[in-house]
Amino acid sequence: LAKTTQPISMDSYEGQEVNITCSHNNIATNDYITWYQQFPSQGPRFIIQGYKTKVTNEVASLFIPADRKSSTLSLPRVSLSDTAVYYCLVGGRNRDDKIIFGKGTRLHILP
Amino acid sequence: DTAVSQTPKYLVTQMGNDKSIKCEQNLGHDTMYWYKQDSKKFLKIMFSYNNKELIINETVPNRFSPKSPDKAHLNLHINSLELGDSAVYFCASSQDHYPGEQYFGPGTRLTVT
Repeated sequence: LAKTTQPISMDSYEGQEVNITCSHNNIATNDYITWYQQFPSQGPRFIIQGYKTKVTNEVASLFIPADRKSSTLSLPRVSLSDTAVYYCLVGGRNRDDKIIFGKGTRLHILP
Repeated sequence: DTAVSQTPKYLVTQMGNDKSIKCEQNLGHDTMYWYKQDSKKFLKIMFSYNNKELIINETVPNRFSPKSPDKAHLNLHINSLELGDSAVYFCASSQDHYPGEQYFGPGTRLTVT
């Protein structure tokens, strides 16, 4: 399973666009990239998932370059409520694939 | 309706005791998981069950045993509790095994004294 590397923490201001990058140099051909958000005292919550190029949903966009060795989660116009830890996961569809959450990125939104 | 529920939310117990944490999902999912999140916030998978079949059994002590009476339930039994077992335990479910979207429960904070 590909190991992921993310910044430990980031600060931003309300109304800004925030981009969090995850490195996964050893990503395998059948691996997908998934991002989760976790608030204090809550379980992680699925944000977005992609395989290549760009994926967009109502809360975020996921940019994946052609070599797939990294990915960027983009949060448009963040608010204070987006303060949370964001995890990047990489893995495939094999039943015995290990599911590993990295250390996550602690995003702090300032007023 | 809560999609994935866990009981209890808090559990304080002494070393050496045996305890259980229950998990139920009402999403009709085929796969359920148990995760452990330690004080440093690292989230590690412990077990994964798909249609009552164990798929992943990470290197956790055999004092931990998952039990799935049916597809909607995955309980975690812990024998001979140790101080190092103190953590938050999350249950999750998904329609398919990873990389499908996982739905997490609210967590159970276990404190062993």
